[in-house]
Amino acid sequence: DTAVSQTPKYLVTQMGNDKSIKCEQNLGHDTMYWYKQDSKKFLKIMFSYNNKELIINETVPNRFSPKSPDKAHLNLHINSLELGDSAVYFCASSLRPTTDTQYFGPGTRLTVL
Amino acid sequence: QKEVEQDPGPLSVPEGAIVSLNCTYSNSAFQYFMWYRQYSRKGPELLMYTYSSGNKEDGRFTAQVDKSSKYISLFIRDSQPSDSATYLCAMKKGQGAGGTSYGKLTFGQGTILTVHP
Repeated sequence: DTAVSQTPKYLVTQMGNDKSIKCEQNLGHDTMYWYKQDSKKFLKIMFSYNNKELIINETVPNRFSPKSPDKAHLNLHINSLELGDSAVYFCASSLRPTTDTQYFGPGTRLTVL
Repeated sequence: QKEVEQDPGPLSVPEGAIVSLNCTYSNSAFQYFMWYRQYSRKGPELLMYTYSSGNKEDGRFTAQVDKSSKYISLFIRDSQPSDSATYLCAMKKGQGAGGTSYGKLTFGQGTILTVHP
């Protein structure tokens, strides 16, 4: 069974469109995260939710909006996509925010044309 | 200047070699140190997790943390072609940091490693 899963795996879209990426974890964890990995493999946190409450909100454009309907799901909606949004987006989860290991999903490769 | 610096490589070694990967950091608040391995087109997977200074060994992998020098290392003994991947160091502040640091992992850029037969 996949611990942290993301859909879709690949997403190709035009500039200006709105798209969503979904993440689900079956580990029973309380905390979930969104990371962005750029073309140079640099991985940077965007958001984190703990028990459906937003606890980390890095300097990310307002066009990015996370939503956590329950502890097992964290979705990322992106409005008005731009070329610079092209990247791989990873979801991760951990039991708690502070000391525990973060487990990563397989990633969603977003290409904006 | 980035909080965590890691030489991106690429690093190419023959099978059986000892590999040394390193990261330096500038923020003394980091208390938890990790190494992740990322195969091409896959998500990062945790290899080693250490708290504060010291060494930790797991099979062919040894992680070292020197907080006084703000320097961490990962050693891979008897390297195998299956070790070919990108290795990412990551760090996290302690529980006392709180606020917007709560659980935030700060990554190095990653080192691309190729072990050739």
